Amino acid sequence: NAGVTQTPKFQVLKTGQSMTLQCAQDMNHEYMSWYRQDPGMGLRLIHYSVGAGITDQGEVPNGYNVSRSTTEDFPLRLLSAAPSQTSVYFCASRSGSAQVNEKLFFGSGTQLSVL
Amino acid sequence: ELKVEQNPLFLSMQEGKNYTIYCNYSTTSDRLYWYRQDPGKSLESLFVLLSNGAVKQEGRLMASLDTKARLSTLHITAAVHDLSATYFCAVSHTGTASKLTFGTGTRLQVTL
Repeated sequence: NAGVTQTPKFQVLKTGQSMTLQCAQDMNHEYMSWYRQDPGMGLRLIHYSVGAGITDQGEVPNGYNVSRSTTEDFPLRLLSAAPSQTSVYFCASRSGSAQVNEKLFFGSGTQLSVL
Repeated sequence: ELKVEQNPLFLSMQEGKNYTIYCNYSTTSDRLYWYRQDPGKSLESLFVLLSNGAVKQEGRLMASLDTKARLSTLHITAAVHDLSATYFCAVSHTGTASKLTFGTGTRLQVTL
């Protein structure tokens, strides 16, 4: 059972380059989200999705795009990378069931450096 | 706007001692989470707290929630070195369970 899988684990970009961070989950979770973690700070929500075809902005959405064409996948696109986007990115998913004790499961993270 | 504050930010404690980490939040929420993060690793879910007065315990960690005070605590009993990590609380936005606001984290260092 893979859980939440993120790729790549590490990436170095030049300013202005674009790339896509991949996130896939095999738990049939409805909710998926992307967070970034900067040194000395907690995680901040970038975008989230409550189901296939539905996305919404979080706290820090600028410079990022998402789409949710399937339940399993929730890629995060950096359109034109900037040094301020240097961070560790985490994808997370959760069941949308009525079981309110459902936890949020996190992927292993992608460490991104923008030069 | 939902804001979450944790204190202390850094905690150095000796093995065998007890201590409490505090998590305050600014607006009504329907659930609160505690996570553990080891250096360079992902986040591990510890507790989900749903209602006023909720208390959950696992091993040397006990979490509680006071929704009226908008306060959660993570109590560490008789700390051991293996508990060294960063602990985050996170509060969900009402009606959107996957939209969380995190505290800045408490880095716990347990010394021998």
